[in-house]
Amino acid sequence: DSGVTQTPKHLITATGQRVTLRCSPRSGDLSVYWYQQSLDQGLQFLIQYYNGEERAKGNILERFSAQQFPDLHSELNLSSLELGDSALYFCASSVDLKGETQYFGPGTRLLVL
Amino acid sequence: AQKITQTQPGMFVQEKEAVTLDCTYDTSDPSYGLFWYKQPSSGEMIFLIYQGSYDQQNATEGRYSLNFQKARKSANLVISASQLGDSAMYFCAMMTQGGSEKLVFGKGTKLTVNP
Repeated sequence: DSGVTQTPKHLITATGQRVTLRCSPRSGDLSVYWYQQSLDQGLQFLIQYYNGEERAKGNILERFSAQQFPDLHSELNLSSLELGDSALYFCASSVDLKGETQYFGPGTRLLVL
Repeated sequence: AQKITQTQPGMFVQEKEAVTLDCTYDTSDPSYGLFWYKQPSSGEMIFLIYQGSYDQQNATEGRYSLNFQKARKSANLVISASQLGDSAMYFCAMMTQGGSEKLVFGKGTKLTVNP
């Protein structure tokens, strides 16, 4: 158990819908990262937050957004869902910005029908 | 741009034998970290081992060791005394210090341990 929690574990929804994925980092970790794992794209970095502020953006679609709250949990919002958004979404956390090891949550498996 | 290459889509090893999973990387940053993660069929990503670019010695964590050859830009994972539970996907990843602390992943190697 990495100490990072993600909910829900599985999510099935329809095209055009909006979903919210939730992540709680390890106790004491200030940095939260979101990654998407799909069959065709592999594991790709989406976005990073540090202590409530957006730190870096990767290959994140405009339909996707995220935020980190004062209690350091983070949410990834996916809207206008398409079939291709079906993937495993991981949240990871680390202590700070100094290249510390990122510990991953169990992931949320999203299926868009 | 940073890139990780894992050239072995699949590897097979007999139980109790050692196996090496290959990883090469490309970066122009002088400071970086290399990571290996294990992803069992259940889907979670499990951190295995870390090697910093300035570390003089190869990293070891129990049965896992990282064969770091900086000049060749390789960071191979060695698993000794393979166990059936080692069957999983293994991902090599890199983090550079010159910007975002994001991880860049390779495509992974699927390891199968045979009894």
